[in-house]
Amino acid sequence: DSGVTQTPKHLITATGQRVTLRCSPRSGDLSVYWYQQSLDQGLQFLIQYYNGEERAKGNILERFSAQQFPDLHSELNLSSLELGDSALYFCASSATPSGDSYNEQFFGPGTRLTVL
Amino acid sequence: AQSVTQLGSHVSVSEGALVLLRCNYSSSVPPYLFWYVQYPNQGLQLLLKYTSAATLVKGINGFEAEFKKSETSFHLTKPSAHMSDAAEYFCAVRINNQGGKLIFGQGTELSVKP
Repeated sequence: DSGVTQTPKHLITATGQRVTLRCSPRSGDLSVYWYQQSLDQGLQFLIQYYNGEERAKGNILERFSAQQFPDLHSELNLSSLELGDSALYFCASSATPSGDSYNEQFFGPGTRLTVL
Repeated sequence: AQSVTQLGSHVSVSEGALVLLRCNYSSSVPPYLFWYVQYPNQGLQLLLKYTSAATLVKGINGFEAEFKKSETSFHLTKPSAHMSDAAEYFCAVRINNQGGKLIFGQGTELSVKP
């Protein structure tokens, strides 16, 4: 158990809908990362937050948005869903915000999103 | 652009045999390198990481990896495979002047035959 929790575990929805994925980081970690794992794209970095502020952005679609709240949990919002958005979405957390040697990311179990 | 290449999307070994999973990276600056393991229906677990302290890195479950700058490689090895090692393995790179994001390889699925 990494200490990172994600809810829900599974989500099935229809095209055009909007969903929210939730992540609680490990106790004490201030940085949260979101990754998407799909069969065709592999594991891709989406976005990073540190202590409530956006820190880095990857290949995140405009239909997707995220935020980190004062209690440090994070939510990833996916809207106008398409079939191709079906994937496993991982959240990870780390103590530090940047690429130093102490930045070790701990991954949650993921949320499997299926868009029908 | 930085990238990670894992040679072989699927590797099969016999129980007790050597495990060798290959990873090459491209980076214009010294990277931090990681190996993660993903068991079915689970998240990623860190096996080991290279942060420039030592070129031979030992990780959990008997795995180790050697950083070779001249070959831009960070191959993962284990002397004797166990059935419980069957999983997907991901090599990842983090560039130390680009924040904390990880760039992953495509993954290698390891099968262990009895």
